[in-house]
Amino acid sequence: DADVTQTPRNRITKTGKRIMLECSQTKGHDRMYWYRQDPGLGLRLIYYSFDVKDINKGEISDGYSVSRQAQAKFSLSLESAIPNQTALYFCATSDSSRAFQNEQFFGPGTRLTVL
Amino acid sequence: KQEVTQIPAALSVPEGENLVLNCSFTDSAIYNLQWFRQDPGKGLTSLLLIQSSQREQTSGRLNASLDKSSGRSTLYIAASQPGDSATYLCAVLGGGNTDKLIFGTGTRLQVFP
Repeated sequence: DADVTQTPRNRITKTGKRIMLECSQTKGHDRMYWYRQDPGLGLRLIYYSFDVKDINKGEISDGYSVSRQAQAKFSLSLESAIPNQTALYFCATSDSSRAFQNEQFFGPGTRLTVL
Repeated sequence: KQEVTQIPAALSVPEGENLVLNCSFTDSAIYNLQWFRQDPGKGLTSLLLIQSSQREQTSGRLNASLDKSSGRSTLYIAASQPGDSATYLCAVLGGGNTDKLIFGTGTRLQVFP
């Protein structure tokens, strides 16, 4: 079984709809991240959480919100989706007990299309 | 602001060649550097992580080096195979007054038989 899972894997929606992307991990890591990937722009950080009570904005948080429901779950919401949020979304985790390394592990991604 | 650049953007080589992928970063005050592999439409697989105090890491046919002072890392792939075809991403943690992972845009590698 995959250590970091994302649901759904693909989603097509319409402008203005509310969308939630979910991430779960079985690695026991305390830190979780949401990134988006656009062609030619690389991966950019949207939000991150260092523990259940800690939520931080990343580079491109406008138009997104997150919820850390438990140590193993981190969801990303688009309150009112717009076409330029069409992208590949990744969840990642890392373990602060190995903070000096902070190696990040990624989920398989969610391909979101906003029409 | 930390910026990460990868050259070349794309590379096509025949099977069996040894090859080098390059990564450069603008601020040398990093904690570590990580190399990833991404297959089309798929997630990222961590290949190697080099701590700031290390010079290189090896895993099988892969060898990654780090020269912090010059802001450079290379990923060396020995005896390339068609299964190595993928996009390779490097990312640095730290530098530019951030403790976030900053990614390059990747090198797309094709190894043909």
